[in-house]
Amino acid sequence: DGGITQSPKYLFRKEGQNVTLSCEQNLNHDAMYWYRQDPGQGLRLIYYSQIVNDFQKGDIAEGYSVSREKKESFPLTVTSAQKNPTAFYLCASSTPDHEQYFGPGTRLTVT
Amino acid sequence: GQSLEQPSEVTAVEGAIVQINCTYQTSGFYGLSWYQQHDGGAPTFLSYNALDGLEETGRFSSFLSRSDSYGYLLLQELQMKDSASYFCAVRDGALTGNQFYFGTGTSLTVIP
Repeated sequence: DGGITQSPKYLFRKEGQNVTLSCEQNLNHDAMYWYRQDPGQGLRLIYYSQIVNDFQKGDIAEGYSVSREKKESFPLTVTSAQKNPTAFYLCASSTPDHEQYFGPGTRLTVT
Repeated sequence: GQSLEQPSEVTAVEGAIVQINCTYQTSGFYGLSWYQQHDGGAPTFLSYNALDGLEETGRFSSFLSRSDSYGYLLLQELQMKDSASYFCAVRDGALTGNQFYFGTGTSLTVIP
């Protein structure tokens, strides 16, 4: 079955540590996205990539970094510079018709 | 900048019809999407409108008026499983590629 996988589902880290969230897709989509969702809020765009080896900052990119070395993979690193990293992180890929498929998400808690 | 407004909460009776509105302001509008998200889950795609008019998919329909910067999602024959949050999202086709901006969501509660 095609889809998007994110791991882990829950992640706990100490303040000051960098952490990398995994996102893999086998849908053969060119475009991939990372969003952050806080309780009771909508999704805010962190980074997006339209093609391999290229990515763009979204509205809240500060304190995050990404790479896109393979079409299937778009990992997100939450660095110690991110002031409020505790959130629900969602990865998505998009069809040419602009339908976004989302992974199950990773809940990151930083204490 | 971009902004989207939708009601925060809606309650409706099972079997009824409910409409969730979305108004938006964006610099480069290309289309309006709707997503459903159950508690703790990931959003799932419902519809995408690039042109004015009504799109129907089963019990769900979505409408767009580009001149009014307005759209809505219409849910018919409501079922208990429709209780979820619904997000509208604008596709902004900037030079650097497609970005999607989401509203803060409408929490729909379906009651018996």
